[in-house]
Amino acid sequence: AQTVTQSQPEMSVQEAETVTLSCTYDTSESNYYLFWYKQPPSRQMILVIRQEAYKQQNATENRFSVNFQKAAKSFSLKISDSQLGDTAMYFCAFIAASGTYKYIFGTGTRLKVLA
Amino acid sequence: SQTIHQWPATLVQPVGSPLSLECTVEGTSNPNLYWYRQAAGRGLQLLFYSVGIGQISSEVPQNLSASRPQDRQFILSSKKLLLSDSGFYLCAWSVRGTSLETQYFGPGTRLLVL
Repeated sequence: AQTVTQSQPEMSVQEAETVTLSCTYDTSESNYYLFWYKQPPSRQMILVIRQEAYKQQNATENRFSVNFQKAAKSFSLKISDSQLGDTAMYFCAFIAASGTYKYIFGTGTRLKVLA
Repeated sequence: SQTIHQWPATLVQPVGSPLSLECTVEGTSNPNLYWYRQAAGRGLQLLFYSVGIGQISSEVPQNLSASRPQDRQFILSSKKLLLSDSGFYLCAWSVRGTSLETQYFGPGTRLLVL
């Protein structure tokens, strides 16, 4: 069975600094998709970034980038130039490319950006 | 572009009363649809998912049920609410089998059972 682990329940970072959130996963699949979602206090789940496992290049979206290490089954999220609006719960998620319709989510990391 | 709607946004219901939460998706066809529940400060619990009209897969045995009467409509129901049904309910959609595989979420419904 696939699992997603986020080992950092809470983190904090100073405004304008850089922070990295960790995510590891376990699967026997060779093709899959990985995601980071942001859930601010409004509780709306917002897609931050996605990565396709067959692409070796790390995905980037503005200040957000990932470090995808397929052999190590690691998928960390780096937030550069942190802003107060980045304060949120962050969830890592996984889905195999075939054979299932279920997304597997981690337990989340609560990030607080300090002024 | 695709949009997903959920209503109501907030609901306060007495124990033992019925429940109906609705989710609709616009701008796409034959989406996969999902219902999740989230307790305060916790992760997501998958309740139901559907890959087509009338096709419902249940993940958690409980007093909730789901239905998909139309392609882009997903309904979460209960005949008699329990205190433990309180939480934040999220509907989501995805399109399977493409390189654009991604799950998108609605704004959610806050349910408080008293």
